[in-house]
Amino acid sequence: SAVISQKPSRDICQRGTSLTIQCQVDSQVTMMFWYRQQPGQSLTLIATANQGSEATYESGFVIDKFPISRPNLTFSTLTVSNMSPEDSSIYLCSARLAGTGELFFGEGSRLTVL
Amino acid sequence: SQQGEEDPQALSIQEGENATMNCSYKTSINNLQWYRQNSGRGLVHLILIRSNEREKHSGRLRVTLDTSKKSSSLLITASRAADTASYFCATESLGGFKTIFGAGTRLFVKA
Repeated sequence: SAVISQKPSRDICQRGTSLTIQCQVDSQVTMMFWYRQQPGQSLTLIATANQGSEATYESGFVIDKFPISRPNLTFSTLTVSNMSPEDSSIYLCSARLAGTGELFFGEGSRLTVL
Repeated sequence: SQQGEEDPQALSIQEGENATMNCSYKTSINNLQWYRQNSGRGLVHLILIRSNEREKHSGRLRVTLDTSKKSSSLLITASRAADTASYFCATESLGGFKTIFGAGTRLFVKA
């Protein structure tokens, strides 16, 4: 299994500002992903964080709004840029261990944008 | 985008009863996974079933997979109040590497 640490766990942000979420995994992982979960909804995949190269974004998500870094195998960041109240969500980091199909999740970062 | 649908959207049962949740998906898959999420927290992986498997057990959990119908079910036997949570199915598409989640079922187990 893997332990995924995410921070901040929650934050209240002002409209127009940006916030960076950090994700650290304690094991060697093959892939890392970022999901968004809006209130009362399921998880929506934002992007796949690629080590040392640009992330692969899903339809409806763009790099300018959600820049992602993954400088090494076990660490990634997601920035939510120029936030608006519609960005209020839980943002979840996940990782897949080598040799398995299971995804492990961090506890999520709950953002509230005023 | 979401891969599929789950039903029911919400389920309320008495402690000790069995709970069954269903999941349908749209594309061919490598595997299907079930997760639990307690209110507002991270997801806990419950069970993974591969496309060449038909049934899998883990404790009080039983998962079935019917690839011809593109559907799966999760059965929780002898439910407990602590099972109250949202349950999500998620699929890894054939030839793909990303996992897409269904809409989820909210289970409420009354003590």
